[in-house]
Amino acid sequence: GIQVEQSPPDLILQEGANSTLRCNFSDSVNNLQWFHQNPWGQLINLFYIPSGTKQNGRLSATTVATERYSLLYISSSQTTDSGVYFCAPRGTVANSKLTFGKGITLSVRP
Amino acid sequence: DAGITQSPRHKVTETGTPVTLRCHQTENHRYMYWYRQDPGHGLRLIHYSYGVKDTDKGEVSDGYSVSRSKTEDFLLTLESATSSQTSVYFCAISESERGEQYFGPGTRLTVT
Repeated sequence: GIQVEQSPPDLILQEGANSTLRCNFSDSVNNLQWFHQNPWGQLINLFYIPSGTKQNGRLSATTVATERYSLLYISSSQTTDSGVYFCAPRGTVANSKLTFGKGITLSVRP
Repeated sequence: DAGITQSPRHKVTETGTPVTLRCHQTENHRYMYWYRQDPGHGLRLIHYSYGVKDTDKGEVSDGYSVSRSKTEDFLLTLESATSSQTSVYFCAISESERGEQYFGPGTRLTVT
């Protein structure tokens, strides 16, 4: 199946800083989602982005499917951005399902 | 927020006992999924359903069974719980096979 690698594994920011989270994947994809898992364990949908660029407030995401990576940008970070960020691509092979990376743990300090 | 509930939210059980977790949705989505989350592994797919009475195995299906008798309910059963099944279990739904998945609040299961 598809292999997913997220980097960096851990990230510590001062409130107000910007950051870029990266997701590399090994095969062609027809779906890719970014999630934020907050400190209470809830999984929150951030983006459904198999290709192109999307923006939602301080967050934006870009997927370059031909080069097999996706980036999540967080601008003007806030303490509420803390948690774990997962990317989950879905390969194009028949019967493929979402495959989750191991996540990036973000801590935003006041 | 997608209407997905899971029950129970927390459970402690003993090795060898049967356990059933329930996922209930109010969105009338065709696809439903069960995942488990363990430290260092992200989320891994256990089983999924693509319609009433239509289910298939995921990546880590050994020791688990599922049933879906109604569109809104998807049950995950551990026939004889083991300590290795201690985990957080998430249910998810999607409208289509390639559609966006939405997750429930999770169930924390501890097998002693």
